[in-house]
Amino acid sequence: QKEVEQNSGPLSVPEGAIASLNCTYSDRGSQSFFWYRQYSGKSPELIMFIYSNGDKEDGRFTAQLNKASQYVSLLIRDSQPSDSATYLCAVNANDYKLSFGAGTTVTVRA
Amino acid sequence: EAGVTQFPSHSVIEKGQTVTLRCDPISGHDNLYWYRRVMGKEIKFLLHFVKESKQDESGMPNNRFLAERTGGTYSTLKVQPAELEDSGVYFCASSPTGRPQYFGPGTRLTVT
Repeated sequence: QKEVEQNSGPLSVPEGAIASLNCTYSDRGSQSFFWYRQYSGKSPELIMFIYSNGDKEDGRFTAQLNKASQYVSLLIRDSQPSDSATYLCAVNANDYKLSFGAGTTVTVRA
Repeated sequence: EAGVTQFPSHSVIEKGQTVTLRCDPISGHDNLYWYRRVMGKEIKFLLHFVKESKQDESGMPNNRFLAERTGGTYSTLKVQPAELEDSGVYFCASSPTGRPQYFGPGTRLTVT
């Protein structure tokens, strides 16, 4: 079983729609959860982090965490063509190192 | 504020040669990490420095890899001798203590 699993893509959504990305993790001791966005050939860019159960909103992005279900998600509202990228879910326990999922590629259709 | 920088951006070497990758973290970040992504796989942790000390090197694949962070500033990752399976993108990240990690653009290493 992989430590971090993401829903397989690619995910194609029309401009203005909501993109929903899912991630599950295997280590119940995980403490911190991150979403990174990566454009092709570029560095992973931190867009959201969440530590507590519930929702966290930042602009058009909402991260949702459910530790009991070992599940974290990212919603992108009012999707724009510039949101087209690969989204990486990353998790860590209390030892700093990040475990990454394989990523979900999102394409926003104009 | 300058981000994490890495050099070179690309490196193509032959099997058996040596390559040294460099990472300059964000100024003031005590924590520095190395990760690697091989083709088709997830990004994997290699090691973690706190200032100049290796905190965790559990992800280093074998003793052909040597990382240093002299003086607690920039870090180097040397691969000697390089093998074909070392090809991939090597990312460096840095963070203040207890804060999220910020990644550099990566070095794409190709071993032929």
